[in-house]
Order: sequence, then C-alpha cells, then structure tokens
Amino acid sequence: GAVVSQHPSRVICKSGTSVKIECRSLDFQATTMFWYRQFPKQSLMLMATSNEGSKATYEQGVEKDKFLINHASLTLSTLTVTSAHPEDSSFYICSAGTSGRFGEQFFGPGTRLTVL
Amino acid sequence: AQSVTQPDIHITVSEGASLELRCNYSYGATPYLFWYVQSPGQGLQLLLKYFSGDTLVQGIKGFEAEFKRSQSSFNLRKPSVHWSDAAEYFCAVVIISSGSARQLTFGSGTQLTVLP
Repeated sequence: GAVVSQHPSRVICKSGTSVKIECRSLDFQATTMFWYRQFPKQSLMLMATSNEGSKATYEQGVEKDKFLINHASLTLSTLTVTSAHPEDSSFYICSAGTSGRFGEQFFGPGTRLTVL
Repeated sequence: AQSVTQPDIHITVSEGASLELRCNYSYGATPYLFWYVQSPGQGLQLLLKYFSGDTLVQGIKGFEAEFKRSQSSFNLRKPSVHWSDAAEYFCAVVIISSGSARQLTFGSGTQLTVLP
C-alpha cells in the first residue's frame, strides 16, 4: 500500500517550453502533496506544499508563476514548469501525505527534467 | 526551526562490515524521525521511522536505528553491509502534530560506498 507514482519519469524539452509532471497516490487519498527539487549529489529541497482544493504554499525563493502547482483531487497533483530554461534542469520528486495520526509522507520515484 | 545534521558526507565500508550513519537533530520537542534511502535516479524509500515508544527501531533490509534524546541523535546501523546497500541515505525530521501531513526537513545525506 501507499504507492505514489510520477509521470513522466524522464523528460527532455527545449528552452522556453512548458513541462507538466503528474504525481498520483495510487491506493490512498492524499490530503497534502509536496514537491521537492534535488540537484546532483544534494539533499531534497522543498518547493511547495499543496492541499487538495486550495492554493499551494511555496517556499521562500520559489517562483510561483514559474512552478505552477495544481492539486485538483485527493489522488492527483501536477507541477508545471513554465517557460523552462536550462537552469530548471533537475530531479523533481513529489510526496503524498495523509491526515492520519502521524502524517506520514510517501514518495514518488522522481522525474528527471533536462532543458536544452 | 528544526534542523537535521548528517556529519558524514561519504562513508566507505567493506562488504560484510558493520555500518553506522550518524544523524543529529535540533528541535525542542520530541520529533518524528525517519531514515530514507535513495538509489541513483530513484525516489526515496523509507527504511524506518521513530514516533514514540521503544527507542530502538527496526526497519527494512536489516537496518535499525536508535533514538537517543540526551544526544539528540538517531543513528542508523546495520551489522553486516551488502553490496546492494550502496546508496544515498537521508535522515529527516518532522514536527509532531495531529492532523494533516507536516513538512519533512532533510539532512544533507550520506553517500555509502561498499567495497567488495
């Protein structure tokens, strides 16, 4: 149980295009989803927290107009990187959390974005 | 704010040897503590977690961790390392709270290399 999927697993795009990454909780309802960014050989940096049906809360320094997050249902959240540039190339990981007693998070397998 | 420190950036051990990865946290109250493992290009897999109760926690793949409040530590151990354990290991902490999922704060990670 508690499986989180991400799609696509890998994407290569040209500079200036937009890319959408989907995060799905497959066997549970996720009241909260988190989006992280990870640079090579570094730790995960939280980008934003989203609750179903409400606007995402972005961490300081994260451009909300560049990284659009939609949490339309209890099983799906999307991250859209708008007008992507090479500096946006990174590994993006989502996690889904529940409102259970301990509020655990379950992580997706990640999406490797390369912007040419 | 809570923080997590993993003092060792890189550890190398021989296969069959014992392993200990250090993790120290900074938080006034009792935290929830986690250890995750990440293989290259993959998402995070939960090894074990501590919420309360017995301070020695058993996890998957033969890992265990001990919560020591007096030392603000949550070190990960394994008595005999296998070559497949080579990966990046992250310690993480979250504030105890009821209700919705809470943010995780990650350590910087420890890269484990296993020699044959």
